[in-house]
Amino acid sequence: DAMVIQNPRYQVTQFGKPVTLSCSQTLNHNVMYWYQQKSSQAPKLLFHYYDKDFNNEADTPDNFQSRRPNTSFCFLDIRSPGLGDAAMYLCATSRYQGDTQYFGPGTRLTVL
Amino acid sequence: GQQVMQIPQYQHVQEGEDFTTYCNSSTTLSNIQWYKQRPGGHPVFLIQLVKSGEVKKQKRLTFQFGEAKKNSSLHITATQTTDVGTYFCALYNTDKLIFGTGTRLQVFP
Repeated sequence: DAMVIQNPRYQVTQFGKPVTLSCSQTLNHNVMYWYQQKSSQAPKLLFHYYDKDFNNEADTPDNFQSRRPNTSFCFLDIRSPGLGDAAMYLCATSRYQGDTQYFGPGTRLTVL
Repeated sequence: GQQVMQIPQYQHVQEGEDFTTYCNSSTTLSNIQWYKQRPGGHPVFLIQLVKSGEVKKQKRLTFQFGEAKKNSSLHITATQTTDVGTYFCALYNTDKLIFGTGTRLQVFP
């Protein structure tokens, strides 16, 4: 059974058109993360939630926002996607900070 | 910020050959984790090392943590085509996981 689910798996949007990616988890983990991964690169952390506490990475563009309405769900909003935002977006969870992270299958975003 | 370098960046091996990837940090690590990412897939946790000089084995995979806790290695004995993917070491810096640069392994049958 899938533990970290991401929808959609593939998303195509137009330059400047807002897009929302979703992540849900059945693990009841406290921490949820959003990563951006470009081709042949390591995942890059955008932000994470520890419960309801939001932690933004210093170099995450303002264009990226996140919401966590409850323990199970977390959303990534890209307000005005640019061509450089085309990437795989990975959601991950962990029981607590410092623990093993469980990744979802990712959403591949294409920006036309 | 803290950097984690992995070498080699790419490795092509014939099936049955051994493979090793090395992970080096500029600072002493409290622990290190290893993840595998298949082509088109997502990172999957393999193992965590905590103790200085620790060695752990998972079937054909051997993980080692350096005595000074600044480096780690992953060795695969007799590679198989199912070993194809990118192997990342990763470490926690305060509350976030920092991934190494990764080593992409290609296995030819």
